Amino acid sequence: QLQLQESGPGLVKPSETLSLTCTVSGASISSGTYFWGWIRQPPGKGLDWIGSIYYSGSTDYNPSLKRRVTISIDTSNNQFSLKVNSVTAADTAVYYCARLGWTGNYMDVWGEGTTVTVSS
Amino acid sequence: EIVMTQSPATLSVSPGERATLSCRASQSVRTNLAWYQQKPGQAPRLLIYGASTRATGTPARFSGSGSGTEFTLTISSLQSEDCAVYYCQQYNNWPPITFGQGTRLEIK
Repeated sequence: QLQLQESGPGLVKPSETLSLTCTVSGASISSGTYFWGWIRQPPGKGLDWIGSIYYSGSTDYNPSLKRRVTISIDTSNNQFSLKVNSVTAADTAVYYCARLGWTGNYMDVWGEGTTVTVSS
Repeated sequence: EIVMTQSPATLSVSPGERATLSCRASQSVRTNLAWYQQKPGQAPRLLIYGASTRATGTPARFSGSGSGTEFTLTISSLQSEDCAVYYCQQYNNWPPITFGQGTRLEIK
C-alpha cells in the first residue's frame, strides 16, 4: 500500500529556508509512471499547489512561488524534497506531499501533512 | 492562470437528502477536473477525477458531471460522515494547477 510521509522542522524563523522531505513507501518513485508534488494550506484557508517533480528531476512550479521554491528528488532513498527560501509569516501552513495521478495532474494519494510555522 | 469558483460557500443539507455543489472555471478545462473531500484535521481525499470518474473507494452516492467551465458534484443521499469541505481542482492548463476556494457541507 502506497504511503507518503512528510518530515521536517515545525518552526522556521523569518528570512530563513523551510526544508521538508516526503518519504514514499510501498512504491518506487523512479518507476516513471507518476509525478510527485507539494501542496500547502494556510490556517483556515484553501489549497495551494506549490510544484511537482518527475523521477528524472524535471520540475514545474507555481509561478507565484517559483523564485523561492526548489523541489528535488532522491531516488536512492525514495524521497523528494521541498525548499522555500526567504520565508515570511505568509508561508505558515500545513504542507502536504502527494502523488499525481497517471491520467492527469490530480492528487490521488496524499501524505498526512505537516504544520510549519514561521515565527521568530 | 485559471480561476476556479465554487458555490455556495456553505451548504446545509438534511440526512438522506441530495446535495449539489458547483464549480466554475474561468476558461474551459475540458473534463480535466477533480473533486476532493477534506475533513477537519485530515488531508484531502480524492473523490472524482476526469470530471466524472470515481476514485477507488469513493462511494457510489458521489457523482460528478460537467465539462468546459461548469461542473457539479452531487451526493445523492447525504450521510453524516459526508460533513466536510469539498474542493474542485483543474489540471487542464498548468502551471499552475489551481483549486477552488471550497464548499463547506454541513448536516442540517
